[in-house]
Amino acid sequence: AQRVTQPEKLLSVFKGAPVELKCNYSYSGSPELFWYVQYSRQRLQLLLRHISRESIKGFTADLNKGETSFHLKKPFAQEEDSAMYYCALKGMGFNKFYFGSGTKLNVKP
Amino acid sequence: DAGVIQSPRHEVTEMGQEVTLRCKPISGHNSLFWYRQTMMRGLELLIYFNNNVPIDDSGMPEDRFSAKMPNASFSTLKIQPSEPRDSAVYFCASSLEGFTGELFFGEGSRLTVL
Repeated sequence: AQRVTQPEKLLSVFKGAPVELKCNYSYSGSPELFWYVQYSRQRLQLLLRHISRESIKGFTADLNKGETSFHLKKPFAQEEDSAMYYCALKGMGFNKFYFGSGTKLNVKP
Repeated sequence: DAGVIQSPRHEVTEMGQEVTLRCKPISGHNSLFWYRQTMMRGLELLIYFNNNVPIDDSGMPEDRFSAKMPNASFSTLKIQPSEPRDSAVYFCASSLEGFTGELFFGEGSRLTVL
């Protein structure tokens, strides 16, 4: 069965510290993985997707098929990174998105 | 394009009342999704449509919930009768299947059932 797990509901770090938001998935086919972010009073929006292999706002995420993980990382957190982060999975060729329960990142000054 | 438009933004109602949430997807998108967001469960997919046809409604909690998409530019999510446990933020999202795979979300409708 398809499943996206984000084990941390809340993650607090100090400004300048590294941050890693964990995401594990379960999917029998070829998944596409995404990170979505929701800043305060803003719409949920795409942050990055694994097929693009890009860095957005200093964040990167690598798909590890062996560990079925897609952790989101940033070497130096900024206060403006404080937001709710959702990991999402979509089956290749399908249009149904599965979201994790979300991790609230709080970056303290 | 103004993006996905949802109304109302906020709704406060009493238990037992009917609630109708509305969504206008981005023009040209052929898939539409309704999600419910709660602190406990995060984002839950309720139903999704492809080319105005409901494809998967397995996430709809119970018969009190129904959704329609009469045309490509409008969808409704109805709760009748509403209960306090339905209090949540309801998001509508649209996408163009097979293109970028990106979901575009509306601003959400915050529902409070007293």
